[in-house]
Amino acid sequence: DTEVTQTPKHLVMGMTNKKSLKCEQHMGHRAMYWYKQKAKKPPELMFVYSYEKLSINESVPSRFSPECPNSSLLNLHLHALQPEDSALYLCASSQGTSGPTQYFGPGTRLTVL
Amino acid sequence: AQSVSQHNHHVILSEAASLELGCNYSYGGTVNLFWYVQYPGQHLQLLLKYFSGDPLVKGIKGFEAEFIKSKFSFNLRKPSVQWSDTAEYFCAVKGILTGGGNKLTFGTGTQLKVEL
Repeated sequence: DTEVTQTPKHLVMGMTNKKSLKCEQHMGHRAMYWYKQKAKKPPELMFVYSYEKLSINESVPSRFSPECPNSSLLNLHLHALQPEDSALYLCASSQGTSGPTQYFGPGTRLTVL
Repeated sequence: AQSVSQHNHHVILSEAASLELGCNYSYGGTVNLFWYVQYPGQHLQLLLKYFSGDPLVKGIKGFEAEFIKSKFSFNLRKPSVQWSDTAEYFCAVKGILTGGGNKLTFGTGTQLKVEL
């Protein structure tokens, strides 16, 4: 089973709201990732967690705050976002940061008003 | 730093036509190479991957890709496309570092439209 699940599927929020995106995998993978994908563009890496510790932050603004409560879960907390943050947010996982293959979830379509 | 180029941004084919999508990468060392597909409204799915060994790799749905090291290329092919192959195709590369790390770099994508 190579399934990564993400909730919610769609999210609309105002610039003053606080919301969270959730990602879950049950493949025993120890590396998890957040990507941002704008329309007609490739995914851009935001964060990498390895063994529940943040290993890569691609200079993402602090209004995005990742959290890895355990090896199966990855959250992305959102606060004071801007309209230009509207995008598809993808979660992925792999066996480890050296594990080559990343498996992607369906994404959360975020709209910031 | 690694980079990936996909020169065909939009491709339109008729059903049963043959497909070849170009992918070139820039990285001085060993690489893992991937093709992902994103069908309309759906998530990224792995089509095929190359790590080592036979440079001709076969993936799902009749797709194959050939790794040509001397050309830094990993082109995707399918002998006969179907309407259901209409999707965005992303080539991706992961440079292998001695210390590990798993940063995937994606190409800009190729939008394929297959007409009946």
